[in-house]
Amino acid sequence: EDKVVQSPLSLVVHEGDTVTLNCSYEVTNFRSLLWYKQEKKAPTFLFMLTSSGIEKKSGRLSSILDKKELFSILNITATQTGDSAIYLCAFPTGSGTYKYIFGTGTRLKVLA
Amino acid sequence: EPEVTQTPSHQVTQMGQEVILRCVPISNHLYFYWYRQILGQKVEFLVSFYNNEISEKSEIFDDQFSVERPDGSNFTLKIRSTKLEDSAMYFCASTEHTANTEAFFGQGTRLTVV
Repeated sequence: EDKVVQSPLSLVVHEGDTVTLNCSYEVTNFRSLLWYKQEKKAPTFLFMLTSSGIEKKSGRLSSILDKKELFSILNITATQTGDSAIYLCAFPTGSGTYKYIFGTGTRLKVLA
Repeated sequence: EPEVTQTPSHQVTQMGQEVILRCVPISNHLYFYWYRQILGQKVEFLVSFYNNEISEKSEIFDDQFSVERPDGSNFTLKIRSTKLEDSAMYFCASTEHTANTEAFFGQGTRLTVV
């Protein structure tokens, strides 16, 4: 059975801190790993990772995948209060339409 | 920027009543999904839909649930006889293709069954 574990479950930091969020997985037929940010409602897409060792970067956020050790990390530098959200990793699985399985998420709270 | 839209944003219904949740996926997307998230829990897959038929459904998606694409733009989830445990946030999502493309999610419908 596919398994996705995110850590930590929650995190409280102060503005300006750097955070590292982890997503470990056991997924059959790995295709890609996606990171989403969920603020109040809908998950919004951050990154898609398919290859090991290649960092994806968007502003203060970056992510990398290790397909040998089966994990991905999401880094956020110089955190801001607007980064407060739940961060989800997800994997397309199945055949045909590739439903996602989601991790439990990491709840990040950034204090001013 | 194109987006997935869902209506209503919040629905309160009595146990046993039927509800229809509506979604307008992104116009050039071909694959549609419903997910739900019970408060404090993971986002869970319900059903996927392609070419006017269900492609895959989870064990949550029992006979009380149905999906439909009644016209070229709307995608609906119907719950025939709601139960208390159906209370959750329901997300619609769509993708352009299936091969390594991200899903775009709507803002969700919060369903409260009383």
